[in-house]
Amino acid sequence: GQNIDQPTEMTATEGAIVQINCTYQTSGFNGLFWYQQHAGEAPTFLSYNVLDGLEEKGRFSSFLSRSKGYSYLLLKELQMKDSASYLCAVKDSNYQLIWGAGTKLIIKP
Amino acid sequence: ETGVTQTPRHLVMGMTNKKSLKCEQHLGHNAMYWYKQSAKKPLELMFVYSLEERVENNSVPSRFSPECPNSSHLFLHLHTLQPEDSALYLCASSQDGTGDGANVLTFGAGSRLTVL
Repeated sequence: GQNIDQPTEMTATEGAIVQINCTYQTSGFNGLFWYQQHAGEAPTFLSYNVLDGLEEKGRFSSFLSRSKGYSYLLLKELQMKDSASYLCAVKDSNYQLIWGAGTKLIIKP
Repeated sequence: ETGVTQTPRHLVMGMTNKKSLKCEQHLGHNAMYWYKQSAKKPLELMFVYSLEERVENNSVPSRFSPECPNSSHLFLHLHTLQPEDSALYLCASSQDGTGDGANVLTFGAGSRLTVL
């Protein structure tokens, strides 16, 4: 079967750095997405990786290793507003999105 | 209005009721989706419409009935639901329903459904 694994919950301190990991086992690979979802709000797109390496976008970076079936989302200079759930999703060989259950990130002052 | 709008935001219904969820997108996208989001579970794709034709129906019970009258509107008609159908129902749109590339999904804020 197809599977996306990410930690259920993480806690970090304001101003610090946190890395949210995502590992996947899918039938084929056509890209990996990260979305952010604040409580009671719509998920919003953060990043897309299809080639190995690091994609940087301001305070957020996303890394992909296709050979290891692994990605991480790196958040720097954490702010209270970064408290949210972070969803990892992989597009498989049929271009279907396979979703992880999400990681709830709690930021403490 | 911009983006993807869903109504109602909250809905409580009995098992014998009939209700509908509405989604409207103002982005000019040609694909629309219904997802079910339950606590601590991955998003479950229910239906996909591309160019107003249903292209995906992931073994969803017939008590859920989608309707896509045009590329901007999507409905989910609900009847004789079960308590386990209580969840957040998210609508999304994208420029392409299938295929390669980063066809990013734009989501609505969801309709929180409670079935008593």
